Amino acid sequence: GAVVSQHPSRVICKSGTSVKIECRSLDFQATTMFWYRQFPKQSLMLMATSNEGSKATYEQGVEKDKFLINHASLTLSTLTVTSAHPEDSSFYICSARQGDGGNTIYFGEGSWLTVV
Amino acid sequence: GDSVTQMEGPVTLSEEAFLTINCTYTATGYPSLFWYVQYPGEGLQLLLKATKADDKGSNKGFEATYRKETTSFHLEKGSVQVSDSAVYFCALSDSSARQLTFGSGTQLTVLP
Repeated sequence: GAVVSQHPSRVICKSGTSVKIECRSLDFQATTMFWYRQFPKQSLMLMATSNEGSKATYEQGVEKDKFLINHASLTLSTLTVTSAHPEDSSFYICSARQGDGGNTIYFGEGSWLTVV
Repeated sequence: GDSVTQMEGPVTLSEEAFLTINCTYTATGYPSLFWYVQYPGEGLQLLLKATKADDKGSNKGFEATYRKETTSFHLEKGSVQVSDSAVYFCALSDSSARQLTFGSGTQLTVLP
């Protein structure tokens, strides 16, 4: 099946710094990518939807200036957590939908962010 | 709006037991239905899917049938293994496939 890869899988950063997480679709073109946040033992919370070449659509309550999303190509989307704080520590997961009209969404492996 | 309701966990079974995880949904139109599995510390993996009524998705011994009349997509496996221990998420994608709506997840633990 289709493969979506996230990098890094784990990152530790200092409070106040910014960290970037990459999401790549390895064997298909993804016109739409999604970013989720997952708290321990909870379901996934959709943060934003990004379409290649346009601005991301953020869910209510998600700060777009804090969680910068860029979808510059059909195979890459990035999430940058700016001025990170310990409460931003979480598991971030991206997913991608194939651009051929397919309705299956594939997920990356997730990225653990710890802000110290 | 669309919603997915999953059987609450956690579920603990002995190896080789029969598994059912209930999932019902509310949606307009004709959604596609999915089961995803999340192993500890990992992302989500697509387990199976069904795109129209009466379709049966199956993979790795797991099955789920898209029942429009009962708006359900229950996950079943005849004989679970310890390696099946994970969190299982039921999800639907609306007809425009813009995004997924997830259930709350069900933690499954299989004991040897």
